[in-house]
Amino acid sequence: DAMVIQNPRYQVTQFGKPVTLSCSQTLNHNVMYWYQQKSSQAPKLLFHYYDKDFNNEADTPDNFQSRRPNTSFCFLDIRSPGLGDAAMYLCATSSLGPTSGADEQFFGPGTRLTVL
Amino acid sequence: GNSVTQMEGPVTLSEEAFLTINCTYTATGYPSLFWYVQYPGEGLQLLLKATKADDKGSNKGFEATYRKETTSFHLEKGSVQVSDSAVYFCALSDQGSGGYQKVTFGTGTKLQVIP
Repeated sequence: DAMVIQNPRYQVTQFGKPVTLSCSQTLNHNVMYWYQQKSSQAPKLLFHYYDKDFNNEADTPDNFQSRRPNTSFCFLDIRSPGLGDAAMYLCATSSLGPTSGADEQFFGPGTRLTVL
Repeated sequence: GNSVTQMEGPVTLSEEAFLTINCTYTATGYPSLFWYVQYPGEGLQLLLKATKADDKGSNKGFEATYRKETTSFHLEKGSVQVSDSAVYFCALSDQGSGGYQKVTFGTGTKLQVIP
């Protein structure tokens, strides 16, 4: 089945130690998104890629970076995790162009990040 | 900017009860509207959607109608099951800056169905 895969499902890191979360998709979608979701809150968009075009949300901290080496893979790098960065990180994809109509997003299962 | 407001939870219902989760939105354009469901420990799954006024989205017994005049997209189900226990997110999709579609989520409503 076509899907969005996130690895690992659970990640533990230490305060200040860089960590990378990965996302892959078999849907061949041109847009990939990274969301941060804290407990009992709505997902918050960090950034997205439309093909290789990177789009950062204005309030995303510089501590968060992303890479998309090809259509299938997208990485979230947290350069110096703080305690406040502990959250669920959700990857999502969609297939649309910059001016097309709205389309649904397909979500991965998420990676739960713990910062010690 | 765009916003989505949904009723606070948790909502606790007995099995076979009628469900309504209210959702209203504010948008400057003509958004598409969605309900996503998140089961414990999982990512979000699309439950249903509506792309224009008066459209009704439906799936798995859930329904929601896009009401432009009241800017609402309330989720309903006639008879809930224990397996419907999850968090439900109302969302809208509209053009963000640069022409890209941007999704705005509500804060989520936790539903607990007891046998």
